Amino acid sequence: EDQVTQSPEALRLQEGESSSLNCSYTVSGLRGLFWYRQDPGKGPEFLFTLYSAGEEKEKERLKATLTKKESFLHITAPKPEDSATYLCAAFSSGSARQLTFGSGTQLTVLP
Amino acid sequence: GAVVSQHPSRVICKSGTSVKIECRSLDFQATTMFWYRQFPKKSLMLMATSNEGSKATYEQGVEKDKFLINHASLTLSTLTVTSAHPEDSSFYICSARVLGQVDTEAFFGQGTRLTVV
Repeated sequence: EDQVTQSPEALRLQEGESSSLNCSYTVSGLRGLFWYRQDPGKGPEFLFTLYSAGEEKEKERLKATLTKKESFLHITAPKPEDSATYLCAAFSSGSARQLTFGSGTQLTVLP
Repeated sequence: GAVVSQHPSRVICKSGTSVKIECRSLDFQATTMFWYRQFPKKSLMLMATSNEGSKATYEQGVEKDKFLINHASLTLSTLTVTSAHPEDSSFYICSARVLGQVDTEAFFGQGTRLTVV
């Protein structure tokens, strides 16, 4: 059974304090690792897809990286508007076309 | 990115009544749409996979007679919560994949907050 675990559950940062969120996965034949941002009362907003170990993608203050066992979402010099829950999800060859989601990391950036 | 529109965003209904939630892909065709349920501070729980023109595939523990799914076209799927009870109160989210691109990201609707009183 595919499993995705995110840590920490919650993270509080001061504005400008860089950090990383972790997503560990155990899946049979990873076909894609996705990162989403979710604001309260909203649906997830797509951020990145990573397909193979060593791949990196960047968008503004966010950078996602992927290894064979985990993915990191690095946040550089965060701002209060980066506060949200960040979800990762894995799509595998054994998952019948569905995503397996982690439980998310709730990020709060204090001004 | 592709746009998925979900309606309504909020609904309050009385116990015993039925509620329909719509999920539309606005600028692309989606052969497959997914329905999720999310509890407070929890991740998304897949309820069912909706395929255009065929019966939905429900996850274990999800009552198919209670959560009716219809995927009548390549751009519209509906979830009907029948005979709603307070325990059905939750945040429901749909998502869709672009036709033929099974490895790409799924785009999500804005979610529907259902409150059963």
